[in-house]
Amino acid sequence: DIQMTQSPSSLSASVGDRVTITCRASQSISTFLNWYQQKPGEAPKLLIYAASSLQSGVPSRFSGSGSGTDFTLTISSLQPEDFATYSCQQSYSTPYSFGQGTKLEIK
Amino acid sequence: QVQLQESGPGLVKPSGTLSLTCAVSGGSISSSNWWSWVRQPPGKGLEWIGEIWHTGSTNYKSSLKSRVTISVDKSKNQFSLKLSSVTAADTAVYYCARVTITIPLYGMDVWGQGTTVTVSS
Repeated sequence: DIQMTQSPSSLSASVGDRVTITCRASQSISTFLNWYQQKPGEAPKLLIYAASSLQSGVPSRFSGSGSGTDFTLTISSLQPEDFATYSCQQSYSTPYSFGQGTKLEIK
Repeated sequence: QVQLQESGPGLVKPSGTLSLTCAVSGGSISSSNWWSWVRQPPGKGLEWIGEIWHTGSTNYKSSLKSRVTISVDKSKNQFSLKLSSVTAADTAVYYCARVTITIPLYGMDVWGQGTTVTVSS
């Protein structure tokens, strides 16, 4: 099974900051990497698929990059509504697996 | 647009069987998608449980495979999850999700709101 590891586990930042979250796969997954945003009490929301493609309706301040085993999610200028938990997920093979999540908090 | 809605008991006794259903509206369960179950224990990350295709073909997480059954009812446009021999470790919010495979998109793009299941006597 493929293991997904995110860093950091939590992150404090201010509105307007640029933040980067990292996700590493235990083996190469090409670009079969998705990012989800989850707010308290809500279901996850697909933000980025195929490592770098923005899901419809997602603001352009979100971007993703990477291939193989190392991936990043970047938010260029944090907005108040971006404070949430972000999780990566590999869809290269079943069983699909998620990272443990990165909680982005207001500084 | 497609919407998913989970339903089922919120409380299950230890050693019992957890049973949930996900109703699909605004689209057909026979479309070219996998249909997944994902859970999230309190304060923890997301865990994929398994998925089903409308033909009945399934994939399961290895560590849960002996206890999990996912089935589909095309006449009701819904799919279901059964998890047997539950313990407190199975307490979680359970989500159903659509897995879209329209390359390059291969991800869970539609989610239900989630339902909380507590395992307790």
